[in-house]
Amino acid sequence: EPEVTQTPSHQVTQMGQEVILRCVPISNHLYFYWYRQILGQKVEFLVSFYNNEISEKSEIFDDQFSVERPDGSNFTLKIRSTKLEDSAMYFCASSDLSRGSYGYTFGSGTRLTVV
Amino acid sequence: QKEVEQNSGPLSVPEGAIASLNCTYSDRGSQSFFWYRQYSGKSPELIMSIYSNGDKEDGRFTAQLNKASQYVSLLIRDSQPSDSATYLCAWLMDSSYKLIFGSGTRLLVRP
Repeated sequence: EPEVTQTPSHQVTQMGQEVILRCVPISNHLYFYWYRQILGQKVEFLVSFYNNEISEKSEIFDDQFSVERPDGSNFTLKIRSTKLEDSAMYFCASSDLSRGSYGYTFGSGTRLTVV
Repeated sequence: QKEVEQNSGPLSVPEGAIASLNCTYSDRGSQSFFWYRQYSGKSPELIMSIYSNGDKEDGRFTAQLNKASQYVSLLIRDSQPSDSATYLCAWLMDSSYKLIFGSGTRLLVRP
């Protein structure tokens, strides 16, 4: 079964440092997403990406966040200057949105801890 | 604000029973609904999708959608302890293809 791969599984960083979270979506998928889940809270949408550009971003996705698809396989989320409140699980997801397959496939997540 | 509402639970059922999970949503235009299962510390795993009114069955799972009442439910038959998890209801915004998640219902299946 194809899967979305995320690395690292756990990242600890000091407040103010930059982090890059990496994802390899399923190869024939065209739509890519980042979500986050603060401990005990809902899964929240951050950003969607299609055709090499952001298609939508949430209020959470401010100037400290950026996404990139540097090559044909990787999809990254960069947080420029981390804050304590950025501590969360970050999930990458991809979808081909073909008929009958609107559901996403999520990666296993990166647990980000900002200290 | 487009929302998905779920009872946080926990919903406790004995092994072998039917577990019934419910979800309401606020956007009448919603067309695509999903149930995800999430084990503690893990990512959401898609278990059912439903796009039209009525029932959809897949093994022990049945999803039910009633668009007039803005209500979607998930039935789990013959519940097993391994079904113990948080079940997330989600709907897809057709304009942007982003998923809006509910806060989830925690299900506990007692052996």
